[in-house]
Amino acid sequence: AQSVTQLGSHVSVSEGALVLLRCNYSSSVPPYLFWYVQYPNQGLQLLLKYTTGATLVKGINGFEAEFKKSETYFHLTKPSAHMSDAAEYFCAVSAGGTSYGKLTFGQGTILTVHP
Amino acid sequence: KAGVTQTPRYLIKTRGQQVTLSCSPISGHRSVSWYQQTPGQGLQFLFEYFSETQRNKGNFPGRFSGRQFSNSRSEMNVSTLELGDSALYLCASSLGVASDTQYFGPGTRLTVL
Repeated sequence: AQSVTQLGSHVSVSEGALVLLRCNYSSSVPPYLFWYVQYPNQGLQLLLKYTTGATLVKGINGFEAEFKKSETYFHLTKPSAHMSDAAEYFCAVSAGGTSYGKLTFGQGTILTVHP
Repeated sequence: KAGVTQTPRYLIKTRGQQVTLSCSPISGHRSVSWYQQTPGQGLQFLFEYFSETQRNKGNFPGRFSGRQFSNSRSEMNVSTLELGDSALYLCASSLGVASDTQYFGPGTRLTVL
């Protein structure tokens, strides 16, 4: 079975500061990992994903994530926060194999950006 | 390419009624997954359809059902609505492989009174 834990339901940063959103996962098989962002009253938009290969993954809007198998984490970072980054962020895992179409999500982290 | 569309965007129903939600996937995508999002339980997987067949199912009661048509459009139905069914229902489409990106629609906000 898979599970995802996002550390911190709320994160607050100043504009221009580093953004770090933490995600730990548990999976019985090599996972596929995703970060999505959700703005109010909207669906989820993919920021980036890890399937295989390079463990530092670059995404849209300046976000990147590091996959560390030995510590089972997939943390999301952005060097410099912008006001438009304020949203809710979800980490998700897919186990592959026969887990067709099923993403297991963390509880979400609300990012607030202060001017 | 057009994104995933969901209709209606908002629904208000009363307890005991049933409701049908619709999802049109991105052209060429044969997999449609459905999720329920609530403040208390977060995002939970309902089921996934691929080429008109349900391939995977989450832990929801039988009141929640779905289907997929030959054009990959999908519907989900909730019968005998309960207050706790109030949620944002999201559908997502993909090519159908586990590593594929799921592209989400804007959701249907269901309120049960």
